[in-house]
Amino acid sequence: DTAVSQTPKYLVTQMGNDKSIKCEQNLGHDTMYWYKQDSKKFLKIMFSYNNKELIINETVPNRFSPKSPDKAHLNLHINSLELGDSAVYFCASSQEDRNTEAFFGQGTRLTVV
Amino acid sequence: SQQGEEDPQALSIQEGENATMNCSYKTSINNLQWYRQNSGRGLVHLILIRSNEREKHSGRLRVTLDTSKKSSSLLITASRAADTASYFCATDARNYGNNRLAFGKGNQVVVIP
Repeated sequence: DTAVSQTPKYLVTQMGNDKSIKCEQNLGHDTMYWYKQDSKKFLKIMFSYNNKELIINETVPNRFSPKSPDKAHLNLHINSLELGDSAVYFCASSQEDRNTEAFFGQGTRLTVV
Repeated sequence: SQQGEEDPQALSIQEGENATMNCSYKTSINNLQWYRQNSGRGLVHLILIRSNEREKHSGRLRVTLDTSKKSSSLLITASRAADTASYFCATDARNYGNNRLAFGKGNQVVVIP
C-alpha cells in the first residue's frame, strides 16, 4: 500500500483556472506538508499542518490554500493559476512528536499554459 | 526560515569511488536528515542524525554532524550506478520556532558505470 499518495500525477491547465491536488497518507501521521519544487530542483516548503496549527510560508501567495478534511488528507487548492505556478508539488507526512523522517508522495507535475 | 544549504557542485564519479556532499544550515536544529530523489520521483529518506549525535552509519552511508559549525556531510562509499540521483539535506527545527523540514538545493550525483 502506498504510504503517501497524491493525485493527479500530471496536471495541465490554463492560466486563470482553479485546481486542486489531493493528498492522502495512511501512516497515521499527525503532520502533513506541501512542498513546491521548481525547475532548478529547489524544494520550498509551502505549508505544514497538523491538528493544532497551520504554518504558512509567508512567501506563498494567498491563491494557494491547504484544505484538510481529516487527519489523513491535506489537499492543495490553487486559485487563478499563473504561469509561474508550473512546478512539481510534493505532499509529505511525518509524526510531530518524534525525531522521525518524512514520507513523500510521488509528486504532481503542474503545467500552466 | 532556515534551510540546509548543500554545496552546489554536481558530482560525477566512477563506480566504486566514494561521493561526499556537504550541507550547512543557519540556526539550531532538532535533527538533520538526508534524502535521495531519483529523476522524476519523490524523495526517499536515507538517514537522520539527531542534534546530539556526531556520526551515524547506515549501510554504505556515513553522515556526520557538527553543530558548532552548523554543517553536515554525507558520504556514500563504494558508489554504484544506482546511486545516481539528487541528494538533499533537510533540517528539522520544530523546537526552535522554524518550519519543519526545510530543504537545501540538492546535489546531483552521477555515478558512471
